[in-house]
Amino acid sequence: AQSVTQLGSHVSVSEGALVLLRCNYSSSVPPYLFWYVQYPNQGLQLLLKYTSAATLVKGINGFEAEFKKSETSFHLTKPSAHMSDAAEYFCAVSEGSTGRRALTFGSGTRLQVQP
Amino acid sequence: DTEVTQTPKHLVMGMTNKKSLKCEQHMGHRAMYWYKQKAKKPPELMFVYSYEKLSINESVPSRFSPECPNSSLLNLHLHALQPEDSALYLCASSHPWAAGERTDTQYFGPGTRLTVL
Repeated sequence: AQSVTQLGSHVSVSEGALVLLRCNYSSSVPPYLFWYVQYPNQGLQLLLKYTSAATLVKGINGFEAEFKKSETSFHLTKPSAHMSDAAEYFCAVSEGSTGRRALTFGSGTRLQVQP
Repeated sequence: DTEVTQTPKHLVMGMTNKKSLKCEQHMGHRAMYWYKQKAKKPPELMFVYSYEKLSINESVPSRFSPECPNSSLLNLHLHALQPEDSALYLCASSHPWAAGERTDTQYFGPGTRLTVL
C-alpha cells in the first residue's frame, strides 16, 4: 500500500520567511502526489499536484513542490510566508494505480506564521 | 467551477435520531467520496462511489448508509450514531479514470460538522 509521511506536526515561521513543509512517500509504483490546505472549520483546498508531467510543480498562492524520486520526497515550499498561510497542510498520495480511487493522507502539518 | 456543496454546515443529533447529510457537485464528476475527519487528524476514507455504484466501503459501521441517487448527488444517511461519531464529514468528487492518466484530482466540499449527543 502507498503511504505518505509528513515530518513535523507543527512548523512556525516568521512572516516573510521561507516556508518548507516536508513530505516523503512510499510507493511500489510511480505515485501521484497532492498537497491540500485546510483553514479552520473549512474543507480541503487543492494547492498543487504531481502527475509525472514535470518534477517542479507550481500551485496556488505562491506555493510549489518538487518531486524527487531519489529521495522519495515531495516537499512544499513558499519563498515568503504570509499571515494568511497559517493553516493545516496535508500531503496525500493517490492509490489510483491499484484501482482504488481514494487518497491516503499524511498526518498533517500545522503552519503558524508569526508577525 | 470546482465547487462541491454540502448541507447542512452543522448538525446536532441525538443517538436515536435519523438524519442525512447531502453533497452536490455540478462538475460532471462521476466519482464521489465520503471522508470522516476527527479533530487534529487527517481525513479518513469512508465510501467511494464510481458511476453511481458503491465501489469502496472502508468497513464503515452500518449506522452510516451512503446513497448516490444520481451523478450529481451523494447522501449519507445517519441512524443510531454514537458520540464518538462526532466529526467533520467531508464530501469530495473527481473525474473517473481518464484515458492515459492515472490520477483523478479530488475536490472537497466545506464539510458538515456533526455533533452526536
